[in-house]
Amino acid sequence: QVQVVQSGAEVKRPGASVKVSCQASGYTFTGYNIHWVRQAPGQGLEWMGRINPKTGDTHFAQKFQGRVSMTRDTSINTAYMELSRLRSDDTAVYYCARPALGGGDWFDTWGQGTLVTVSS
Amino acid sequence: YVLTQPPSVSVAPGQTARITCGGDDIGSKSVNWYQQKPGQAPLLVVYDDRDRPSGIPERLSGSNSGNTATLTISRVEDGDEADYYCQVWDSYNDYEVFGGGTKLTVL
Repeated sequence: QVQVVQSGAEVKRPGASVKVSCQASGYTFTGYNIHWVRQAPGQGLEWMGRINPKTGDTHFAQKFQGRVSMTRDTSINTAYMELSRLRSDDTAVYYCARPALGGGDWFDTWGQGTLVTVSS
Repeated sequence: YVLTQPPSVSVAPGQTARITCGGDDIGSKSVNWYQQKPGQAPLLVVYDDRDRPSGIPERLSGSNSGNTATLTISRVEDGDEADYYCQVWDSYNDYEVFGGGTKLTVL
């Protein structure tokens, strides 16, 4: 079945970087964008950006530009999100999500989430 | 583009819950709704204003007109208690935008 599976929880110091992976299975990895959405504790969902796994093209929310990068490895059907210069308010669960078949901008497949804790 | 949701909605079991999502001319956009229970990833429950993915009960329905989109949950059950988020694609910035979320409490 279609699924995306994320890497495990991370604890980082302020100023460090974190790289979260998202491995896809059950569909053609290069056929769908991968989006990244985060959720701070007790807060709502926040879109960070997306990557086109076929071309590597990326598009980021302005808030994260300069601090985020998104890459992929098509040989292992995996997308990555790296956030640098971490701050305490980057503590959140980070999700990868795949849009539905047909080109709509709704997300029918989500990873299980990766908790990133930024603490000194 | 900003989407505005009420922070909370409360309803008794068996009654109807309506969760709104306000945005400038949101009726011209395609609105999607997600249900999120504690410790879980969001689950798509309504897409493209009013369509339901397979497995989502007909009790959940969506509508969208003017400046307000609405998720309606009929015959509310205890299992509907969750946070609900609306989402649209902001074509001007090419961003995905989420509403702030609404906590549905079943009394």
